[in-house]
Amino acid sequence: QPQLQESGPGLVKTSETLSLTCTVSGDSISSSSYYWGWIRQPPGKGLEWIGSIYYSGNTYYNPSLKSRVTISVDTSKNQFSLKLSSVTAADTAVYYCARQRVRGVINWFDPWGQGTLVTVSS
Amino acid sequence: QSVLTQPPSVSGAPGQRVTISCTGSTSNIGAGYDVHWYQQLPGTAPKLLIYGYINRPSGVPDRFSGSKSGTSASLAITGLQAEDEADYYCQSYDSSLSGSVFGTGTKVTVL
Repeated sequence: QPQLQESGPGLVKTSETLSLTCTVSGDSISSSSYYWGWIRQPPGKGLEWIGSIYYSGNTYYNPSLKSRVTISVDTSKNQFSLKLSSVTAADTAVYYCARQRVRGVINWFDPWGQGTLVTVSS
Repeated sequence: QSVLTQPPSVSGAPGQRVTISCTGSTSNIGAGYDVHWYQQLPGTAPKLLIYGYINRPSGVPDRFSGSKSGTSASLAITGLQAEDEADYYCQSYDSSLSGSVFGTGTKVTVL
């Protein structure tokens, strides 16, 4: 089973850009069977899909976040990254990265990283 | 703005059977897209429980089972155990959003 690990600042100032990286070990990010996704969970709330990327760079984004989100991939480092611009307190959440199976369409997430809490504050 | 609706909570005594519904629409479950289920224990990352409506990953007890009916899906837990106390989420693909969607989440309490 591959392992995924999120990394990045735990505190971001309001109106700035949140940047996180997910490092994949035990699997190649260039696998044709998978996308690689970001999901977030505000404190005490449910899960929200942010977006997913294929090793070729093809992306899917949540329409509600699309104008502020950029997901990129670095196959040489076996990493993919998330940038979320113009953050507000509403973007405070635990951010998870996960491998996403492709079967026709993007499907289930497995495994997940342990998650990283990002707090947005002025 | 989840497009998949789940009951906020369900509860049962140890050994009982509980079910969690996941109601969608004609752009996700009703369109034939698969439903998957996740278990999130307190303070941990979600874990895949069921994929493709009925399939259990290796290591998931057969006490957990999934089903589909029309524009809804269900997760059943039989022989409820204290360790099953967690939040459960369904997930599918939505063609109108061109992306993944999660359910609102259900907290399972073992009485």
